[in-house]
Amino acid sequence: DIQMTQSPSSVSASVGDRVTITCRASHGISSWLAWYQQKPGKAPKLLIYLASSLQSGVPPRFSGSGSGTDFTLTISSLQPEDFATYYCQQTKSFPLTFGGGTKVEIK
Amino acid sequence: EVQLVESGGGLVQPGGSLRLSCAASGFSFSSYWMSWVRQAPGKGLEWVANINQDGSEKNFVDSVRGRFTISRDNAKNSLYLQMNSLRADDTSVYYCARDVSNTSPSDSWGQGTLVTVSS
Repeated sequence: DIQMTQSPSSVSASVGDRVTITCRASHGISSWLAWYQQKPGKAPKLLIYLASSLQSGVPPRFSGSGSGTDFTLTISSLQPEDFATYYCQQTKSFPLTFGGGTKVEIK
Repeated sequence: EVQLVESGGGLVQPGGSLRLSCAASGFSFSSYWMSWVRQAPGKGLEWVANINQDGSEKNFVDSVRGRFTISRDNAKNSLYLQMNSLRADDTSVYYCARDVSNTSPSDSWGQGTLVTVSS
């Protein structure tokens, strides 16, 4: 199985801050990586697919980069509605696996 | 508008069975792969299984293989998860999700249904 490791597990930030979350795969996955946002009590929401493609309707302050084993999700200017938990997921091979999550909290 | 509505969750004893359903609307159900993803209370996401458009291809995470079965009825726009030999660590919110292909992420999700395995 491909293991996905996210860091940090939590980050405290203020509105307007630039936030970067990293995700590392235990094996190369090319660009087969997605990012999701999840708010408490809600289903996950797809933000980014194929490592850097923005899902329709997602604000452009969200961006993704990377390939192979190392990936990043960047929020360029944190907004109040962005406080949530973020997960990466590899879709290169089964079983599909998620990272452990990064909680973005209000500073 | 894409809608996925799960049902069938509840409290079940260890060793018991439960069948989850997911009713899909707002899109051509028979054209999409479909997945089940679960989340234990306070924990992260775990992909459980997926199924291709005609039900001929299915994939499972090792922890449920042989105990869970995924199926679909395209005439009823419905996805199912039959869960047998349930264990305490199967306790989770189970989400139904839509995938464009077997290598794509899930672009639409239901609200989830809670399964609690406890005596």
